[in-house]
Amino acid sequence: GENVEQHPSTLSVQEGDSAVIKCTYSDSASNYFPWYKQELGKGPQLIIDIRSNVGEKKDQRIAVTLNKTAKHFSLHITETQPEDSAVYFCAAPRETSGSRLTFGEGTQLTVNP
Amino acid sequence: EPEVTQTPSHQVTQMGQEVILRCVPISNHLYFYWYRQILGQKVEFLVSFYNNEISEKSEIFDDQFSVERPDGSNFTLKIRSTKLEDSAMYFCASSTQGAGNIQYFGAGTRLSVL
Repeated sequence: GENVEQHPSTLSVQEGDSAVIKCTYSDSASNYFPWYKQELGKGPQLIIDIRSNVGEKKDQRIAVTLNKTAKHFSLHITETQPEDSAVYFCAAPRETSGSRLTFGEGTQLTVNP
Repeated sequence: EPEVTQTPSHQVTQMGQEVILRCVPISNHLYFYWYRQILGQKVEFLVSFYNNEISEKSEIFDDQFSVERPDGSNFTLKIRSTKLEDSAMYFCASSTQGAGNIQYFGAGTRLSVL
């Protein structure tokens, strides 16, 4: 089945700096890669996703890059703000089974003012 | 904006008791999911549901678990005889289509088994 690894587990940056979180996946058939943000006491909220037919997608300060050959994808947050502090999860579907998402271990991002 | 709603937000129960967690998915969605998250750990898939039947379940989803869509709006997760290790956040999610489509998550139900 799909195995998703996420690094780092914790990341602390100064406000205004960039943050990068990386994930690798094992199932070469996976073709959809969402990123979720989870704030304390809340459910995961989708912030950006990418499909395998593109290598990069950007939405304001957030971007995701995908390298299908290497089977890894990354989340990039620029000009970080304190409200970006949260746990971020990458995920990938297990294509042999359909829609089930396998999540990474999560990254606790702290943006220091 | 439409959202997935879950009730209750916190459920406390005694070990061995049955609990039912409730979810109202987004109204035009056809695929429904339950995930759980043990404190401090990653989100884990439990079960997916489509066309009034389970489409996939994980190894966590044993005979103690069941799901049901009792009417046109609710989607429930039942745990028949709760164990201490069932204590976790349980998230419901829904999507318009299956694989490769955005799954929208509810705020979760915190289940505490004493």
